[in-house]
Amino acid sequence: ETGVTQTPRHLVMGMTNKKSLKCEQHLGHNAMYWYKQSAKKPLELMFVYSLEERVENNSVPSRFSPECPNSSHLFLHLHTLQPEDSALYLCASSQDRTGVYEQYFGPGTRLTVT
Amino acid sequence: AQKITQTQPGMFVQEKEAVTLDCTYDTSDPSYGLFWYKQPSSGEMIFLIYQGSYDQQNATEGRYSLNFQKARKSANLVISASQLGDSAMYFCAMRGFTSNTGKLIFGQGTTLQVKP
Repeated sequence: ETGVTQTPRHLVMGMTNKKSLKCEQHLGHNAMYWYKQSAKKPLELMFVYSLEERVENNSVPSRFSPECPNSSHLFLHLHTLQPEDSALYLCASSQDRTGVYEQYFGPGTRLTVT
Repeated sequence: AQKITQTQPGMFVQEKEAVTLDCTYDTSDPSYGLFWYKQPSSGEMIFLIYQGSYDQQNATEGRYSLNFQKARKSANLVISASQLGDSAMYFCAMRGFTSNTGKLIFGQGTTLQVKP
């Protein structure tokens, strides 16, 4: 079983829809992250949660709303998105947000906004 | 500000040969870590290797080694004995340890294709 899972793997939504992306980590980690990967651009960090507390919001528009109910689950709630929000959304976790711990990534959700 | 630069958009290598993927970085943080990730077409990012800024020796993990040259601010990935399964996108990333947010800064990536 992979350490970090994401659902759904693919999502097509209209600009007026509301949807949520789910991430679950089975590694006992304390920190979780949301990244956005657009075509021809480096990965962009969106949010960081440590022990269920948001520690970084990287200037993300309010149409993206994260939620971390416990250290194993992370959600990204989406509403009134724009076509330029189409991208691969990657979730990651690490043992801790400090120190030298590497981040483990999920397979991503490929989002298309029509 | 922190920045990672990967200047090779695409690389080809013959199977069983070695290949070097370039990465340069810029940071004012005195303590930092450098990471390499592999992203196959399936999308997930797979951690390969880590180098700390104060590590005395270059990191190695199986067929992967990191050629760390601190004065030149470079952290090139060397893959020895390339295999067809190594075909993927490779990302160099960095994290400064002063801020403690866990934030990783990624480069643009290099697409590697291994030829049979």
